[in-house]
Amino acid sequence: NAGVTQTPKFQVLKTGQSMTLQCAQDMNHNSMYWYRQDPGMGLRLIYYSASEGTTDKGEVPNGYNVSRLNKREFSLRLESAAPSQTSVYFCASSEEERQRQFFGPGTRLTVL
Amino acid sequence: QQQVKQSPQSLIVQKGGISIINCAYENTAFDYFPWYQQFPGKGPALLIAIRPDVSEKKEGRFTISFNKSAKQFSLHIMDSQPGDSATYFCAAKGQNSGGSNYKLTFGKGTLLTVNP
Repeated sequence: NAGVTQTPKFQVLKTGQSMTLQCAQDMNHNSMYWYRQDPGMGLRLIYYSASEGTTDKGEVPNGYNVSRLNKREFSLRLESAAPSQTSVYFCASSEEERQRQFFGPGTRLTVL
Repeated sequence: QQQVKQSPQSLIVQKGGISIINCAYENTAFDYFPWYQQFPGKGPALLIAIRPDVSEKKEGRFTISFNKSAKQFSLHIMDSQPGDSATYFCAAKGQNSGGSNYKLTFGKGTLLTVNP
C-alpha cells in the first residue's frame, strides 16, 4: 500500500496563476483532509470531506476550492494564487471509527 | 480562537534526558487526543494517542499524561535520543464550532532537539 500520495512535490507559481494539488489514498478511508502548514502556525485545516460526494470548509478555506472526485481522490484548487498561499500543503485521510489520520508527504508551494 | 495551546515552541534536551511537551485545551467536548511526530521534509505521523477515560498511556519511551479536570495533556519522552529530534504536534478531536466530530485541531508545534 502506498498510503496517501500527493502530487506535485514542489511547485512555483506566479501571482494570479491557478493550479490543482492532487491527493489519493489507497486505504479505503471515508474521510479526507487538506491542511496547510506555515512556520509557527501548526497545521490548519483548509477543507475536509467526510465521505465521497461531500465537502466542507475548515479553518482557512478562503482562496481554495476542493473536489472529492471519488473515494480515493481529493483535490485542492487555487484559482488565483496569491503570495499568502505560499505554504506546505498536506493531504490526509482517516477512518471514521478510529480517527487516526494518515498524512501524505506534502506539496511545497511558492507563489511569487 | 486557538482551541489547543502547546508549549514550549522549542526544546533542547541532552541525550538520555526527559523531554516534556504540554498542551491545554478549552473545548470539553474533545474526546480524542493524539500526538503527531514530524521529521523535516515529511508529513506528520501518529505517535501516540489517548482518550479521556484514562489518565496515562505508555508506548515504549513515549507517555501521554492526561488531566481531564485541568484540561491539559502532556507528552513525555524518556531517555531522549538524537533520533527523536523532530517537531511534535498535539491535537484534539471532537465537536467544535463546525458541528463535525472528526476534525482534528492542532497545536502550533514544538521543535525538539536532542543533543548527543
